Amino acid sequence: AQSVTQLGSHVSVSEGALVLLRCNYSSSVPPYLFWYVQYPNQGLQLLLKYTSAATLVKGINGFEAEFKKSETSFHLTKPSAHMSDAAEYFCAVSGASGTYKYIFGTGTRLKVLA
Amino acid sequence: DTAVSQTPKYLVTQMGNDKSIKCEQNLGHDTMYWYKQDSKKFLKIMFSYNNKELIINETVPNRFSPKSPDKAHLNLHINSLELGDSAVYFCASSPRLAGGIEQFFGPGTRLTVL
Repeated sequence: AQSVTQLGSHVSVSEGALVLLRCNYSSSVPPYLFWYVQYPNQGLQLLLKYTSAATLVKGINGFEAEFKKSETSFHLTKPSAHMSDAAEYFCAVSGASGTYKYIFGTGTRLKVLA
Repeated sequence: DTAVSQTPKYLVTQMGNDKSIKCEQNLGHDTMYWYKQDSKKFLKIMFSYNNKELIINETVPNRFSPKSPDKAHLNLHINSLELGDSAVYFCASSPRLAGGIEQFFGPGTRLTVL
């Protein structure tokens, strides 16, 4: 069975500070991992994904994530937060066979302080 | 052009009523999904269709019945609505049923059952 744990349901950072959102996964097979962002009253939008190629994945809006198998982690980072980054962020895992369904984490709300 | 659209955006109704939510995608994708996002933002898959065939049917009450008249449409009909059905329902689509594939989300339908 697969699962995702996002540590910290709320994270606050100052504008210009480093953003670090944590995601740990559990999977019995090599996973596919995703980060999605949800702005208020909108649907989810893909930030980046890991599909067993490079372990450091770059996404949109300056975000990146590093797949660390030994730590079963896929943390999301951005060097310098912008006010427009304030949103809900979801980590998700899917398998490499079967129904390929996504299992989402519980989300982390990012607040950016001026 | 909107890639994945849902109607209505808001739905307020009384307990016991029957309602439908419609979803359409113009991306030419083969696979479509329904997700439920509860008040704590937890996102869980309900159904998945691939080429109009039901692939995933999670432990959803049988009051919920999806229908896919063609690959571009996936509708959700809910009978005998209950208070616990209040949530945001998201439709999504992906090019095919496979691992590591991005899903494209609609803007959501906020259902409130009074």
